[in-house]
Amino acid sequence: QVHLQESGPGLVKPSETLSLTCTVSGGSIGGDYWSWIRQSPGKGLEWVGYFYYGGSVLYNPSLESRVTISKGRSENQLSLRLDSVTAADTAVYYCARSTNNYEHFHAWGQGILVTVSS
Amino acid sequence: DIVLTQSPDSLAVSLGERATFTCKASQSILYSVDNKNYLAWYLQKPGQPPALLIYRASSRQSGVPDRISASGSETHFTLTINNVQAEDVALYFCQQYYDTPYTFGQGTRLEIK
Repeated sequence: QVHLQESGPGLVKPSETLSLTCTVSGGSIGGDYWSWIRQSPGKGLEWVGYFYYGGSVLYNPSLESRVTISKGRSENQLSLRLDSVTAADTAVYYCARSTNNYEHFHAWGQGILVTVSS
Repeated sequence: DIVLTQSPDSLAVSLGERATFTCKASQSILYSVDNKNYLAWYLQKPGQPPALLIYRASSRQSGVPDRISASGSETHFTLTINNVQAEDVALYFCQQYYDTPYTFGQGTRLEIK
């Protein structure tokens, strides 16, 4: 069974860059779509964007100017980068898997809380 | 963006009773090519990520008990839990994947009376 695990700093200063990694174990990262989704008390669940190892990426227009989703440093890793963060970016960040775009998310990581504060 | 509005915000039922949740979409999420509604339901327990219950509006995910069912089409969807158990206490979300950006409802909290 595929397992997803998010990692990265839990505290980021305002105006700096949030960087997270999703490590996939128990299966191949190729062939599926990998999304980042965040959850905050104020905005609920918000899809950030997806990455497909076949070569496509799509972002939520509300974040597109600040977000980059790409391959991680290791073969079975996915990364998220969010620039110029503010307190509004404080959230639990999840990576999630779907078998195709325009599909439900059938597997989620445990999530990582990222707080933006000085 | 497609807006999903869930009701009620919270629901309290007695053990063994039925719980019904509603999700309304701001536009149809029925895909005409395959006649499927691109809607999923998830539950989320405290400290845990969302877990898939239902996809394509009415298909139960493997392992989900058959006392949980869902229906609906186009803009109006329902999730029903029969014989509510203590383990069903959670936050329930709907999500559309008909169009990007994918969006979620604000959630309905299920409690036991």
